[in-house]
Amino acid sequence: SQQGEEDPQALSIQEGENATMNCSYKTSINNLQWYRQNSGRGLVHLILIRSNEREKHSGRLRVTLDTSKKSSSLLITASRAADTASYFCATEHNNAGNMLTFGGGTRLMVKP
Amino acid sequence: GAGVSQSPRYKVAKRGQDVALRCDPISGHVSLFWYQQALGQGPEFLTYFQNEAQLDKSGLPSDRFFAERPEGSVSTLKIQRTQQEDSAVYLCASRRLAGGGDTQYFGPGTRLTVL
Repeated sequence: SQQGEEDPQALSIQEGENATMNCSYKTSINNLQWYRQNSGRGLVHLILIRSNEREKHSGRLRVTLDTSKKSSSLLITASRAADTASYFCATEHNNAGNMLTFGGGTRLMVKP
Repeated sequence: GAGVSQSPRYKVAKRGQDVALRCDPISGHVSLFWYQQALGQGPEFLTYFQNEAQLDKSGLPSDRFFAERPEGSVSTLKIQRTQQEDSAVYLCASRRLAGGGDTQYFGPGTRLTVL
């Protein structure tokens, strides 16, 4: 079973607009990571935010984490057609191996 | 440097056949994970290795699934007597350290189709 839930499941925007994706989880975490997956490809790591951090930036990406609400958001600013992909949040918990537990993903389409 | 590689990229098997999927992690990475990703879903954890030791196999769906990493580098995921429900993308990931708090790097996956 999957830990997190992502919202929305699908998002379609025009190039240049901002895209916001949300992720909720159920149990306490060490950190939360966002990944991108292009159709038929592997997962590309975007950003890692630790449980004691509230916000992190990387280029056009901004991630927030609210541990009291057990939620995170990923904002992509000034989107491009190349940003079209599925985006997954993954939580790392304090257990053997510290494996990742993924949400169901948000499928983002950016129209040129 | 090279990332995580997996082979084959695509595998078609007849129901009942055995398959073996290979993962070459990033050199020197201690941790290795296998995940299964069904169509339209997020990946789900199968098993974890720290060097050659399989420390967690709680995600393996049945005893038909077996994984090994005998020398602490390359890993093989074997599925015996494949069933249609085994059709999925199998992803391998490696992490530099044993403990958490570090990035997992994923390979491109092996897409398994069981007919």
